[in-house]
Amino acid sequence: RKEVEQDPGPFNVPEGATVAFNCTYSNSASQSFFWYRQDCRKEPKLLMSVYSSGNEDGRFTAQLNRASQYISLLIRDSKLSDSATYLCVVNKADYKLSFGAGTTVTVRA
Amino acid sequence: DAMVIQNPRYQVTQFGKPVTLSCSQTLNHNVMYWYQQKSSQAPKLLFHYYDKDFNNEADTPDNFQSRRPNTSFCFLDIRSPGLGDAAMYLCATSIGSGGKTEAFFGQGTRLTVV
Repeated sequence: RKEVEQDPGPFNVPEGATVAFNCTYSNSASQSFFWYRQDCRKEPKLLMSVYSSGNEDGRFTAQLNRASQYISLLIRDSKLSDSATYLCVVNKADYKLSFGAGTTVTVRA
Repeated sequence: DAMVIQNPRYQVTQFGKPVTLSCSQTLNHNVMYWYQQKSSQAPKLLFHYYDKDFNNEADTPDNFQSRRPNTSFCFLDIRSPGLGDAAMYLCATSIGSGGKTEAFFGQGTRLTVV
């Protein structure tokens, strides 16, 4: 089983729609969790950190469910500029970052 | 200002010819990572340093080596690049305190092997 698994998508949504997707992780000792955004042929950039049950930043909401070992990301009022691959990243206590393969979101006009 | 800088952005090397990729950081972070990312795949951790302590992943080929001469710099050496080593190589840093810290990435070096 992979350490971090994501639905690859693609999620193809119209502007203004809400889109949500999950990420599951296998190591129950994982301490912190992140969502990164990666544009085509660019480096990953931090979107949100998720340290407790979840947090919200503008149109983006991340939820953490430790009992079921998953993290979700919800994007409200999607913009064209939200089109990207969203990487779920889990940081264990030994400083290693485990990446999911990413969920591709395409927002269409 | 860029905080994690990778050079070069694009590197073309010949099959079997050693190549070195470099990474520098201005964040004074303890941890530096090297990842390999191939098209449509997750970044794969090759190794990381916590200060001077080197941590190699079990499945990282011996062909890949790394050096960290000081806090600011880290190098990835590919001793004999093969066609399968063509990828984006990402350097990242993190503070390294208790796991509750995000990583900052450089812009990556895209390696082509001819």
